[in-house]
Amino acid sequence: EPEVTQTPSHQVTQMGQEVILRCVPISNHLYFYWYRQILGQKVEFLVSFYNNEISEKSEIFDDQFSVERPDGSNFTLKIRSTKLEDSAMYFCASSGQGTSTDTQYFGPGTRLTVL
Amino acid sequence: AQKVTQAQTEISVVEKEDVTLDCVYETRDTTYYLFWYKQPPSGELVFLIRRNSFDEQNEISGRYSWNFQKSTSSFNFTITASQVVDSAVYFCALIFMDSNYQLIWGAGTKLIIKP
Repeated sequence: EPEVTQTPSHQVTQMGQEVILRCVPISNHLYFYWYRQILGQKVEFLVSFYNNEISEKSEIFDDQFSVERPDGSNFTLKIRSTKLEDSAMYFCASSGQGTSTDTQYFGPGTRLTVL
Repeated sequence: AQKVTQAQTEISVVEKEDVTLDCVYETRDTTYYLFWYKQPPSGELVFLIRRNSFDEQNEISGRYSWNFQKSTSSFNFTITASQVVDSAVYFCALIFMDSNYQLIWGAGTKLIIKP
Protein backbone atom coordinates (compact mmCIF):
# COMPACT_ATOMS: atom_id res chain seq x y z
CA GLU A 1 0.00 0.00 0.00
CA PRO A 2 1.42 3.41 -0.94
CA GLU A 3 2.50 5.55 1.96
CA VAL A 4 4.02 8.90 2.77
CA THR A 5 7.62 8.71 3.96
CA GLN A 6 9.61 11.27 5.90
CA THR A 7 13.28 11.68 6.68
CA PRO A 8 14.93 11.99 9.08
CA SER A 9 12.84 10.46 11.84
CA HIS A 10 14.63 12.62 14.40
CA GLN A 11 16.66 15.78 13.88
CA VAL A 12 18.59 17.57 16.59
CA THR A 13 19.89 21.02 15.81
CA GLN A 14 21.28 24.08 17.50
CA MET A 15 19.21 27.24 17.74
CA GLY A 16 19.80 29.45 14.73
CA GLN A 17 20.71 26.62 12.41
CA GLU A 18 18.83 25.79 9.23
CA VAL A 19 17.04 22.47 8.92
CA ILE A 20 15.41 20.76 5.99
CA LEU A 21 12.77 18.15 6.59
CA ARG A 22 12.07 15.82 3.72
CA CYS A 23 8.93 14.06 2.61
CA VAL A 24 8.02 11.77 -0.24
CA PRO A 25 4.25 12.00 -0.78
CA ILE A 26 2.14 9.25 -2.26
CA SER A 27 3.09 9.21 -5.92
CA ASN A 28 -0.19 10.09 -7.63
CA HIS A 29 -1.29 12.69 -5.08
CA LEU A 30 -1.52 16.31 -6.04
CA TYR A 31 -1.87 18.16 -2.72
CA PHE A 32 0.83 18.31 -0.09
CA TYR A 33 0.78 19.60 3.45
CA TRP A 34 2.93 20.22 6.47
CA TYR A 35 1.55 20.12 9.99
CA ARG A 36 3.28 20.29 13.32
CA GLN A 37 2.50 18.97 16.77
CA ILE A 38 4.22 20.38 19.80
CA LEU A 39 4.61 17.63 22.37
CA GLY A 40 1.29 16.77 23.99
CA GLN A 41 -0.66 19.36 22.03
CA LYS A 42 -3.00 19.38 19.08
CA VAL A 43 -1.92 19.12 15.49
CA GLU A 44 -1.54 22.49 13.76
CA PHE A 45 -1.67 23.27 10.07
CA LEU A 46 1.37 24.97 8.59
CA VAL A 47 1.03 25.03 4.84
CA SER A 48 -0.60 23.43 1.83
CA PHE A 49 0.97 23.14 -1.61
CA TYR A 50 -0.60 22.46 -4.97
CA ASN A 51 0.54 22.87 -8.54
CA ASN A 52 4.01 23.96 -7.42
CA GLU A 53 2.88 26.78 -5.25
CA ILE A 54 1.63 27.46 -1.76
CA SER A 55 -2.15 27.42 -1.71
CA GLU A 56 -2.63 28.25 1.95
CA LYS A 57 -0.47 28.95 4.98
CA SER A 58 -1.12 29.57 8.64
CA GLU A 59 0.15 32.33 10.89
CA ILE A 60 2.80 29.93 12.15
CA PHE A 61 4.30 29.70 8.68
CA ASP A 62 6.28 32.93 8.78
CA ASP A 63 9.29 34.04 6.75
CA GLN A 64 11.50 31.52 8.53
CA PHE A 65 9.64 28.70 6.81
CA SER A 66 9.66 27.69 3.18
CA VAL A 67 8.53 24.70 1.17
CA GLU A 68 9.74 23.30 -2.07
CA ARG A 69 9.12 20.45 -4.42
CA PRO A 70 12.60 20.20 -5.92
CA ASP A 71 11.81 17.23 -8.13
CA GLY A 72 8.91 14.99 -9.00
CA SER A 73 8.93 13.09 -5.74
CA ASN A 74 10.28 15.11 -2.81
CA PHE A 75 8.51 17.79 -0.81
CA THR A 76 10.64 19.69 1.68
CA LEU A 77 10.09 22.03 4.59
CA LYS A 78 12.95 24.37 5.42
CA ILE A 79 13.30 26.32 8.62
CA ARG A 80 15.91 28.99 8.06
CA SER A 81 16.95 29.87 11.58
CA THR A 82 15.50 27.52 14.14
CA LYS A 83 14.19 28.68 17.49
CA LEU A 84 13.63 26.69 20.66
CA GLU A 85 9.88 26.89 20.09
CA ASP A 86 10.24 25.13 16.73
CA SER A 87 10.83 21.91 18.63
CA ALA A 88 7.92 19.69 17.61
CA MET A 89 6.90 16.73 15.54
CA TYR A 90 6.48 17.73 11.92
CA PHE A 91 4.11 15.74 9.78
CA CYS A 92 3.91 15.72 6.03
CA ALA A 93 0.65 14.68 4.39
CA SER A 94 -0.59 14.24 0.88
CA SER A 95 -4.01 13.92 -0.67
CA GLY A 96 -6.02 14.35 -3.74
CA GLN A 97 -6.29 12.81 -7.01
CA GLY A 98 -9.40 14.91 -7.45
CA THR A 99 -10.03 17.65 -4.96
CA SER A 100 -8.38 19.24 -2.00
CA THR A 101 -11.05 17.78 0.29
CA ASP A 102 -9.74 14.27 -0.26
CA THR A 103 -8.43 12.32 2.69
CA GLN A 104 -4.99 13.40 3.83
CA TYR A 105 -2.55 10.60 4.51
CA PHE A 106 0.27 11.31 6.89
CA GLY A 107 3.89 10.33 7.07
CA PRO A 108 5.43 9.00 10.29
CA GLY A 109 6.71 12.43 11.26
CA THR A 110 10.07 14.02 11.96
CA ARG A 111 10.80 14.91 15.54
CA LEU A 112 12.74 18.18 15.55
CA THR A 113 14.63 19.08 18.69
CA VAL A 114 16.17 22.54 18.87
CA LEU A 115 18.79 23.00 21.56
CA ALA B 1 -15.68 30.39 13.48
CA GLN B 2 -14.77 26.80 12.74
CA LYS B 3 -13.98 24.75 15.78
CA VAL B 4 -13.58 21.10 16.74
CA THR B 5 -13.94 20.09 20.37
CA GLN B 6 -12.95 16.86 22.02
CA ALA B 7 -13.91 17.46 25.60
CA GLN B 8 -12.53 14.19 26.94
CA THR B 9 -8.83 14.69 27.56
CA GLU B 10 -8.20 11.15 28.76
CA ILE B 11 -10.30 8.02 29.13
CA SER B 12 -9.20 4.88 30.90
CA VAL B 13 -11.13 1.61 30.65
CA VAL B 14 -10.49 -2.03 31.25
CA GLU B 15 -10.01 -4.29 28.27
CA LYS B 16 -13.21 -5.58 26.66
CA GLU B 17 -15.24 -2.59 27.76
CA ASP B 18 -16.94 -0.44 25.15
CA VAL B 19 -15.82 3.15 24.96
CA THR B 20 -17.12 6.21 23.13
CA LEU B 21 -14.99 9.19 22.18
CA ASP B 22 -16.90 12.40 21.66
CA CYS B 23 -16.36 15.03 18.99
CA VAL B 24 -18.45 18.14 18.44
CA TYR B 25 -17.86 20.90 15.98
CA GLU B 26 -19.03 24.38 15.11
CA THR B 27 -19.53 25.65 11.62
CA ARG B 28 -21.93 27.58 9.43
CA ASP B 29 -20.83 25.63 6.38
CA THR B 30 -23.34 23.24 4.89
CA THR B 31 -20.63 21.14 3.30
CA TYR B 32 -17.73 19.79 5.29
CA TYR B 33 -15.75 16.61 5.77
CA LEU B 34 -15.17 14.73 9.02
CA PHE B 35 -12.23 12.52 9.93
CA TRP B 36 -10.87 10.46 12.76
CA TYR B 37 -7.16 9.74 13.10
CA LYS B 38 -5.35 7.50 15.56
CA GLN B 39 -1.95 8.38 17.01
CA PRO B 40 -0.43 5.33 18.71
CA PRO B 41 2.50 5.68 21.13
CA SER B 42 4.88 5.38 18.18
CA GLY B 43 3.66 8.81 17.06
CA GLU B 44 2.38 8.43 13.53
CA LEU B 45 -1.06 9.62 12.47
CA VAL B 46 -3.21 6.83 11.10
CA PHE B 47 -6.33 7.61 9.11
CA LEU B 48 -9.42 5.79 10.39
CA ILE B 49 -12.47 7.21 8.66
CA ARG B 50 -13.85 10.00 6.51
CA ARG B 51 -17.48 11.14 6.27
CA ASN B 52 -19.11 13.83 4.18
CA SER B 53 -21.59 16.22 5.79
CA PHE B 54 -24.32 15.22 3.36
CA ASP B 55 -24.07 11.54 4.29
CA GLU B 56 -25.39 10.88 7.78
CA GLN B 57 -25.25 7.13 7.61
CA ASN B 58 -23.40 5.63 10.51
CA GLU B 59 -20.45 3.45 9.77
CA ILE B 60 -19.16 0.25 11.28
CA SER B 61 -15.77 -1.28 10.65
CA GLY B 62 -15.10 -4.32 12.80
CA ARG B 63 -15.02 -3.17 16.42
CA TYR B 64 -15.11 0.49 15.39
CA SER B 65 -18.25 2.47 14.72
CA TRP B 66 -18.98 6.10 14.09
CA ASN B 67 -22.15 8.03 14.81
CA PHE B 68 -22.55 11.23 12.81
CA GLN B 69 -25.43 13.47 13.88
CA LYS B 70 -25.70 16.70 11.99
CA SER B 71 -28.50 17.97 14.25
CA THR B 72 -26.17 17.99 17.24
CA SER B 73 -22.95 18.67 15.25
CA SER B 74 -21.37 15.55 16.64
CA PHE B 75 -19.25 12.79 15.19
CA ASN B 76 -18.64 10.25 17.92
CA PHE B 77 -16.43 7.20 17.76
CA THR B 78 -17.14 3.96 19.61
CA ILE B 79 -14.79 1.06 20.14
CA THR B 80 -16.56 -2.14 21.09
CA ALA B 81 -14.78 -4.77 23.18
CA SER B 82 -11.68 -2.61 23.53
CA GLN B 83 -8.22 -4.13 23.38
CA VAL B 84 -4.89 -2.98 24.78
CA VAL B 85 -3.72 -2.26 21.22
CA ASP B 86 -6.43 0.38 20.96
CA SER B 87 -4.47 2.52 23.44
CA ALA B 88 -3.62 5.71 21.58
CA VAL B 89 -4.55 9.35 21.18
CA TYR B 90 -7.53 9.76 18.90
CA PHE B 91 -8.08 12.94 16.97
CA CYS B 92 -11.24 14.19 15.36
CA ALA B 93 -10.61 16.62 12.50
CA LEU B 94 -12.69 18.43 9.94
CA ILE B 95 -12.21 20.14 6.63
CA PHE B 96 -14.50 23.11 6.34
CA MET B 97 -14.98 24.81 2.99
CA ASP B 98 -14.31 28.07 4.75
CA SER B 99 -10.99 26.88 6.15
CA ASN B 100 -9.34 26.67 2.75
CA TYR B 101 -9.31 22.91 2.89
CA GLN B 102 -6.93 22.56 5.79
CA LEU B 103 -7.70 20.03 8.49
CA ILE B 104 -8.95 21.65 11.69
CA TRP B 105 -8.09 19.40 14.60
CA GLY B 106 -9.58 18.67 17.96
CA ALA B 107 -7.26 18.48 20.93
CA GLY B 108 -7.35 14.70 20.96
CA THR B 109 -8.51 12.13 23.50
CA LYS B 110 -5.94 9.86 25.09
CA LEU B 111 -7.43 6.39 25.42
CA ILE B 112 -5.85 3.99 27.87
CA ILE B 113 -6.96 0.38 27.78
CA LYS B 114 -5.87 -1.56 30.84
CA PRO B 115 -5.43 -5.33 30.62
